[in-house]
Amino acid sequence: SQTIHQWPATLVQPVGSPLSLECTVEGTSNPNLYWYRQAAGRGLQLLFYSVGIGQISSEVPQNLSASRPQDRQFILSSKKLLLSDSGFYLCAWSVPPRLSMTYEQYFGPGTRLTVT
Amino acid sequence: AQSVTQPDIHITVSEGASLELRCNYSYGATPYLFWYVQSPGQGLQLLLKYFSGDTLVQGIKGFEAEFKRSQSSFNLRKPSVHWSDAAEYFCAVGEEYGNKLVFGAGTILRVKS
Repeated sequence: SQTIHQWPATLVQPVGSPLSLECTVEGTSNPNLYWYRQAAGRGLQLLFYSVGIGQISSEVPQNLSASRPQDRQFILSSKKLLLSDSGFYLCAWSVPPRLSMTYEQYFGPGTRLTVT
Repeated sequence: AQSVTQPDIHITVSEGASLELRCNYSYGATPYLFWYVQSPGQGLQLLLKYFSGDTLVQGIKGFEAEFKRSQSSFNLRKPSVHWSDAAEYFCAVGEEYGNKLVFGAGTILRVKS
Protein backbone atom coordinates (compact mmCIF):
# COMPACT_ATOMS: atom_id res chain seq x y z
CA SER A 1 0.00 0.00 0.00
CA GLN A 2 1.01 3.59 -0.50
CA THR A 3 2.31 5.79 2.31
CA ILE A 4 3.19 9.46 2.39
CA HIS A 5 5.58 10.94 4.93
CA GLN A 6 6.28 14.51 5.89
CA TRP A 7 8.89 15.93 8.22
CA PRO A 8 9.34 17.58 10.45
CA ALA A 9 5.92 17.48 12.09
CA THR A 10 6.41 20.87 13.73
CA LEU A 11 8.91 23.63 13.20
CA VAL A 12 9.54 27.00 14.80
CA GLN A 13 11.84 29.26 12.82
CA PRO A 14 12.86 32.92 13.13
CA VAL A 15 12.11 35.44 10.42
CA GLY A 16 14.84 35.48 7.80
CA SER A 17 15.95 31.90 8.38
CA PRO A 18 15.89 29.24 5.63
CA LEU A 19 13.33 26.49 5.35
CA SER A 20 13.32 22.95 4.05
CA LEU A 21 10.31 20.66 4.34
CA GLU A 22 10.44 17.18 2.92
CA CYS A 23 7.78 14.84 1.61
CA THR A 24 8.28 11.28 0.42
CA VAL A 25 5.88 8.75 -0.99
CA GLU A 26 6.23 4.98 -0.82
CA GLY A 27 4.50 2.23 -2.72
CA THR A 28 3.87 4.00 -6.00
CA SER A 29 5.82 5.23 -9.01
CA ASN A 30 5.64 8.44 -11.02
CA PRO A 31 3.08 10.11 -8.78
CA ASN A 32 1.88 13.65 -9.15
CA LEU A 33 3.03 15.55 -6.06
CA TYR A 34 1.54 18.65 -4.44
CA TRP A 35 2.33 21.22 -1.74
CA TYR A 36 -0.55 23.03 -0.05
CA ARG A 37 -0.64 25.59 2.73
CA GLN A 38 -3.38 26.20 5.25
CA ALA A 39 -3.23 29.53 7.01
CA ALA A 40 -5.50 29.87 10.02
CA GLY A 41 -9.13 29.86 8.88
CA ARG A 42 -8.28 30.20 5.20
CA GLY A 43 -8.74 26.78 3.62
CA LEU A 44 -6.23 25.06 1.36
CA GLN A 45 -3.99 27.00 -0.98
CA LEU A 46 -2.16 25.02 -3.67
CA LEU A 47 1.44 26.20 -3.77
CA PHE A 48 3.21 23.86 -6.18
CA TYR A 49 2.62 20.68 -8.06
CA SER A 50 4.88 18.34 -9.97
CA VAL A 51 4.17 15.75 -12.66
CA GLY A 52 7.72 14.41 -12.79
CA ILE A 53 11.32 14.78 -11.66
CA GLY A 54 12.46 18.36 -12.08
CA GLN A 55 9.01 19.48 -13.31
CA ILE A 56 7.51 22.05 -10.98
CA SER A 57 4.47 24.24 -11.52
CA SER A 58 4.04 27.24 -9.26
CA GLU A 59 0.54 28.35 -8.44
CA VAL A 60 1.21 31.42 -6.35
CA PRO A 61 4.17 33.82 -6.61
CA GLN A 62 5.74 33.96 -3.19
CA ASN A 63 8.71 33.49 -0.97
CA LEU A 64 8.78 29.71 -1.44
CA SER A 65 10.17 27.27 -3.98
CA ALA A 66 9.82 23.56 -4.59
CA SER A 67 12.03 20.86 -6.01
CA ARG A 68 11.64 17.23 -6.95
CA PRO A 69 15.09 15.65 -6.99
CA GLN A 70 13.78 12.08 -7.04
CA ASP A 71 10.61 10.45 -8.31
CA ARG A 72 8.98 10.16 -4.90
CA GLN A 73 10.56 13.08 -3.08
CA PHE A 74 9.18 16.61 -2.98
CA ILE A 75 10.88 19.44 -1.11
CA LEU A 76 9.54 22.85 -0.14
CA SER A 77 12.13 25.53 0.52
CA SER A 78 12.66 29.14 1.35
CA LYS A 79 15.84 31.19 1.57
CA LYS A 80 14.38 33.70 4.03
CA LEU A 81 11.17 33.08 5.92
CA LEU A 82 8.56 35.76 6.46
CA LEU A 83 6.01 35.95 9.25
CA SER A 84 3.32 35.34 6.65
CA ASP A 85 4.85 31.94 5.84
CA SER A 86 3.45 30.55 9.08
CA GLY A 87 0.86 27.86 8.54
CA PHE A 88 0.15 24.19 8.15
CA TYR A 89 1.88 22.68 5.13
CA LEU A 90 0.43 19.61 3.51
CA CYS A 91 1.96 17.36 0.89
CA ALA A 92 -0.24 15.18 -1.30
CA TRP A 93 0.16 12.69 -4.11
CA SER A 94 -2.09 11.34 -6.83
CA VAL A 95 -1.93 8.80 -9.60
CA PRO A 96 -1.18 10.65 -12.86
CA PRO A 97 -4.36 11.46 -14.83
CA ARG A 98 -3.25 9.32 -17.76
CA LEU A 99 -3.37 6.29 -15.43
CA SER A 100 -6.32 7.21 -13.24
CA MET A 101 -10.02 7.63 -13.79
CA THR A 102 -10.75 9.68 -10.72
CA TYR A 103 -7.93 12.11 -9.80
CA GLU A 104 -8.19 11.83 -6.03
CA GLN A 105 -5.29 13.06 -3.95
CA TYR A 106 -3.89 11.49 -0.81
CA PHE A 107 -2.50 13.71 1.90
CA GLY A 108 0.36 13.48 4.33
CA PRO A 109 0.11 14.32 8.04
CA GLY A 110 1.33 17.90 7.57
CA THR A 111 3.98 20.19 9.04
CA ARG A 112 3.05 23.00 11.41
CA LEU A 113 5.40 25.93 10.73
CA THR A 114 5.55 28.91 13.06
CA VAL A 115 7.70 31.83 12.02
CA THR A 116 8.62 34.07 14.96
CA ALA B 1 -12.27 27.93 -14.31
CA GLN B 2 -13.74 25.54 -11.84
CA SER B 3 -14.84 26.73 -8.42
CA VAL B 4 -16.34 25.19 -5.31
CA THR B 5 -18.60 26.90 -2.79
CA GLN B 6 -19.27 25.64 0.69
CA PRO B 7 -21.76 28.17 1.99
CA ASP B 8 -21.60 27.14 5.63
CA ILE B 9 -18.42 28.05 7.50
CA HIS B 10 -19.59 26.46 10.76
CA ILE B 11 -22.34 23.97 11.52
CA THR B 12 -23.33 22.66 14.94
CA VAL B 13 -25.45 19.55 15.32
CA SER B 14 -26.46 17.42 18.26
CA GLU B 15 -25.02 13.96 18.60
CA GLY B 16 -27.39 11.50 16.98
CA ALA B 17 -28.94 14.10 14.71
CA SER B 18 -28.71 13.99 10.94
CA LEU B 19 -26.19 16.07 9.03
CA GLU B 20 -26.06 17.69 5.63
CA LEU B 21 -23.10 19.73 4.44
CA ARG B 22 -23.61 21.73 1.30
CA CYS B 23 -21.32 21.97 -1.69
CA ASN B 24 -21.90 23.71 -5.01
CA TYR B 25 -19.47 23.60 -7.90
CA SER B 26 -18.93 25.40 -11.13
CA TYR B 27 -17.77 23.17 -13.97
CA GLY B 28 -18.81 22.78 -17.57
CA ALA B 29 -18.43 19.05 -18.09
CA THR B 30 -19.16 16.08 -15.87
CA PRO B 31 -17.19 16.81 -12.74
CA TYR B 32 -15.02 14.61 -10.59
CA LEU B 33 -16.16 15.41 -7.05
CA PHE B 34 -14.69 14.63 -3.65
CA TRP B 35 -15.31 15.10 0.04
CA TYR B 36 -12.39 15.14 2.47
CA VAL B 37 -12.32 15.35 6.25
CA GLN B 38 -9.61 16.92 8.39
CA SER B 39 -9.27 16.45 12.12
CA PRO B 40 -7.39 19.21 13.97
CA GLY B 41 -3.67 19.17 13.26
CA GLN B 42 -3.88 16.32 10.80
CA GLY B 43 -3.91 15.75 7.07
CA LEU B 44 -6.98 15.32 4.90
CA GLN B 45 -8.68 11.96 4.56
CA LEU B 46 -10.78 11.07 1.53
CA LEU B 47 -14.38 10.31 2.55
CA LEU B 48 -15.88 9.60 -0.85
CA LYS B 49 -15.74 10.46 -4.52
CA TYR B 50 -17.98 10.69 -7.55
CA PHE B 51 -16.91 10.45 -11.16
CA SER B 52 -19.70 8.61 -12.97
CA GLY B 53 -22.60 6.22 -12.53
CA ASP B 54 -24.92 6.15 -9.54
CA THR B 55 -25.41 9.69 -8.29
CA LEU B 56 -25.64 8.56 -4.66
CA VAL B 57 -22.21 7.50 -3.47
CA GLN B 58 -21.31 5.82 -0.24
CA GLY B 59 -18.14 6.61 1.64
CA ILE B 60 -16.32 5.71 4.78
CA LYS B 61 -17.52 6.37 8.33
CA GLY B 62 -21.20 6.14 7.31
CA PHE B 63 -21.15 9.19 5.03
CA GLU B 64 -22.87 9.49 1.68
CA ALA B 65 -23.18 12.21 -0.92
CA GLU B 66 -25.55 12.87 -3.77
CA PHE B 67 -24.57 14.41 -7.08
CA LYS B 68 -27.28 16.61 -8.55
CA ARG B 69 -26.30 17.95 -11.93
CA SER B 70 -29.34 20.24 -12.23
CA GLN B 71 -28.35 21.99 -9.01
CA SER B 72 -24.58 21.74 -9.46
CA SER B 73 -24.45 20.29 -5.98
CA PHE B 74 -22.70 17.46 -4.18
CA ASN B 75 -24.01 17.55 -0.62
CA LEU B 76 -22.60 15.32 2.09
CA ARG B 77 -24.96 13.56 4.47
CA LYS B 78 -24.90 11.33 7.49
CA PRO B 79 -28.06 10.02 9.18
CA SER B 80 -26.70 10.05 12.73
CA VAL B 81 -23.71 12.11 13.78
CA HIS B 82 -21.22 10.89 16.35
CA TRP B 83 -19.04 13.12 18.52
CA SER B 84 -15.99 11.81 16.65
CA ASP B 85 -17.32 13.37 13.43
CA ALA B 86 -16.37 16.83 14.70
CA ALA B 87 -13.83 18.05 12.16
CA GLU B 88 -13.47 20.25 9.11
CA TYR B 89 -14.93 19.03 5.85
CA PHE B 90 -13.76 20.02 2.41
CA CYS B 91 -15.50 19.57 -0.92
CA ALA B 92 -13.32 19.49 -4.04
CA VAL B 93 -13.70 19.22 -7.81
CA GLY B 94 -11.11 17.80 -10.19
CA GLU B 95 -9.79 20.21 -12.77
CA GLU B 96 -9.88 19.38 -16.44
CA TYR B 97 -6.96 17.05 -17.34
CA GLY B 98 -6.87 15.95 -13.74
CA ASN B 99 -3.65 17.43 -12.47
CA LYS B 100 -5.27 19.58 -9.79
CA LEU B 101 -8.16 19.68 -7.39
CA VAL B 102 -10.05 22.86 -6.56
CA PHE B 103 -11.12 22.94 -2.91
CA GLY B 104 -13.93 24.75 -1.18
CA ALA B 105 -13.18 26.88 1.86
CA GLY B 106 -14.31 24.14 4.23
CA THR B 107 -17.08 23.66 6.79
CA ILE B 108 -16.26 23.18 10.45
CA LEU B 109 -18.60 20.71 12.10
CA ARG B 110 -19.19 20.89 15.83
CA VAL B 111 -21.08 18.13 17.60
CA LYS B 112 -22.82 18.89 20.87
CA SER B 113 -23.82 16.26 23.36
